[in-house]
Amino acid sequence: SQQGEEDPQALSIQEGENATMNCSYKTSINNLQWYRQNSGRGLVHLILIRSNEREKHSGRLRVTLDTSKKSSSLLITASRAADTASYFCATDAGGNNRLAFGKGNQVVVIP
Amino acid sequence: DTAVSQTPKYLVTQMGNDKSIKCEQNLGHDTMYWYKQDSKKFLKIMFSYNNKELIINETVPNRFSPKSPDKAHLNLHINSLELGDSAVYFCASSPRQHSGNTIYFGEGSWLTVV
Repeated sequence: SQQGEEDPQALSIQEGENATMNCSYKTSINNLQWYRQNSGRGLVHLILIRSNEREKHSGRLRVTLDTSKKSSSLLITASRAADTASYFCATDAGGNNRLAFGKGNQVVVIP
Repeated sequence: DTAVSQTPKYLVTQMGNDKSIKCEQNLGHDTMYWYKQDSKKFLKIMFSYNNKELIINETVPNRFSPKSPDKAHLNLHINSLELGDSAVYFCASSPRQHSGNTIYFGEGSWLTVV
């Protein structure tokens, strides 16, 4: 099964700056999703982008998808300390909502 | 108010023991899942059930046996625990089993096998 891989693995930024994370995958997908995981907690769904979409926004989040390069990016604008978390991309390539998760990006926002 | 709740949150047990993790969702979803997250935070699906029917069984050792008494519950029983079973186990649910359905995760159960 394919797997999303985020890059970079760890990111430390000042509050107010933007944070960008990338994710690559290997096969065709139905959709790609981003999740956030705060330390010691479960994953929380952030945004889903379908394979026929190129860009999607949700609040301070902007996701892009380039199916020709098999890559996606997640941009968090005007970061806050509360954005400190691990961010995972997950790809859905087949049926049955079977998600393949990447390794995760640790983002630390310094107040 | 917790949407997906799983118990226990922490479990420390000896090798060879049998243990269970319980999961319940009050969202009215049809589909439930078990995921395993290892020490490097790599998250992998183990099972999914839709309306009590097994849909995904992701090459998990048969020491792991999920049980779904109804669509709101999916319990995970693990026999003969091994050191390598130490991980965080997440229960999750989604409205339907089809692609694109948002998955809602529980808070995780930290299993440590000593």
